[in-house]
Amino acid sequence: KAGVTQTPRYLIKTRGQQVTLSCSPISGHRSVSWYQQTPGQGLQFLFEYFSETQRNKGNFPGRFSGRQFSNSRSEMNVSTLELGDSALYLCASSLDQRGYLTYGYTFGSGTRLTVV
Amino acid sequence: AQSVTQLDSHVSVSEGTPVLLRCNYSSSYSPSLFWYVQHPNKGLQLLLKYTSAATLVKGINGFEAEFKKSETSFHLTKPSAHMSDAAEYFCVVSDSSGTYKYIFGTGTRLKVLA
Repeated sequence: KAGVTQTPRYLIKTRGQQVTLSCSPISGHRSVSWYQQTPGQGLQFLFEYFSETQRNKGNFPGRFSGRQFSNSRSEMNVSTLELGDSALYLCASSLDQRGYLTYGYTFGSGTRLTVV
Repeated sequence: AQSVTQLDSHVSVSEGTPVLLRCNYSSSYSPSLFWYVQHPNKGLQLLLKYTSAATLVKGINGFEAEFKKSETSFHLTKPSAHMSDAAEYFCVVSDSSGTYKYIFGTGTRLKVLA
């Protein structure tokens, strides 16, 4: 079956702009998480959604937001982009509300965002 | 609070020799532990997971890891390295307290020499 699909794969934006990244989880998966990966900070948790509800949020400014739709697809939005937002953004999905513990997350290939 | 420490940022081995990637964890609750691998410009692939069942866990591509509670360790091993194993490996901890998030180690870059 299809894996976790993230679009677009690459994105170049200018400082001050906003961006929306999309994630389609594996069919049947209801939990979706987002992570930011940078060389300096490594992999950091952004937020997690289950059945359209945000259950946890990482330590990121309010410029970072997300949502999940009824079909479990998720989007994340970054407003007023800064150079430091340049990163690989990874989406991950899991089967159910405890799947992250029992099955592990399945990650997408990520969206590489470059802010210039 | 949970944390995970990967003791080596870089490991080099010769093809055909054993691989050992070290990971220590800290968790207030019963942890779930994972190893993920990331090849260049790719996402993360799950290698194996420990979820309080058997302490010796076998994963894909010949990798295995042993959960040692007394040492708070979860080291990743493979008997014989292959060139295709060259990648970055991440040790991950998540506990059952309902945080729904993973805490990643800083990664170990494995280099396999011909």
